[in-house]
Amino acid sequence: DQQVKQNSPSLSVQEGRISILNCDYTNSMFDYFLWYKKYPAEGPTFLISISSIKDKNEDGRFTVFLNKSAKHLSLHIVPSQPGDSAVYFCAARTGNQFYFGTGTSLTVIP
Amino acid sequence: DSGVTQTPKHLITATGQRVTLRCSPRSGDLSVYWYQQSLDQGLQFLIQYYNGEERAKGNILERFSAQQFPDLHSELNLSSLELGDSALYFCASSVGGAGDFEQYFGPGTRLTVT
Repeated sequence: DQQVKQNSPSLSVQEGRISILNCDYTNSMFDYFLWYKKYPAEGPTFLISISSIKDKNEDGRFTVFLNKSAKHLSLHIVPSQPGDSAVYFCAARTGNQFYFGTGTSLTVIP
Repeated sequence: DSGVTQTPKHLITATGQRVTLRCSPRSGDLSVYWYQQSLDQGLQFLIQYYNGEERAKGNILERFSAQQFPDLHSELNLSSLELGDSALYFCASSVGGAGDFEQYFGPGTRLTVT
């Protein structure tokens, strides 16, 4: 049972434009949502998080939006840079358990 | 470099065998998590330890077990291996406090069962 879903396996964006990565979830008990970035041959690295009581969190070029009524979150990267090319995982926490999506591979074209 | 180390990097073994994967958390982190990533799958949470005690259990098979030692390193034991156990196994660590959610991942161990 996949409680966190990333329905787009891949996304290509031109350098300088906005990248929008989406994530849907089913469990209303999740209290934190996170985005991780993963380069090949490395483990995921934490990017940004949002509490379930907020609807937006911004950190530099990265903004995460949470729509609890739709059980949907998104990560916006503006402007996109070639170094942002990686696999992005969304994750959600309830209690001590974390649930990850299957990832979206972002390619930023120079 | 996250500060989390995992050994070995790669492991090739036969069905029915048993292997042990090792993880050393970041200095000062008390929590260790184990995840499995199979082909085209997200990271599946297996188990979490906090300061030597099991704290949470996810989709971990009975053939798998883990422990965290007094020096806080952790080992994941996989036995009676099947072809389907071939995957990337990640360890992550965190400080482990009540509001803690940021995990630091190791580079993973790639297990191939033939």
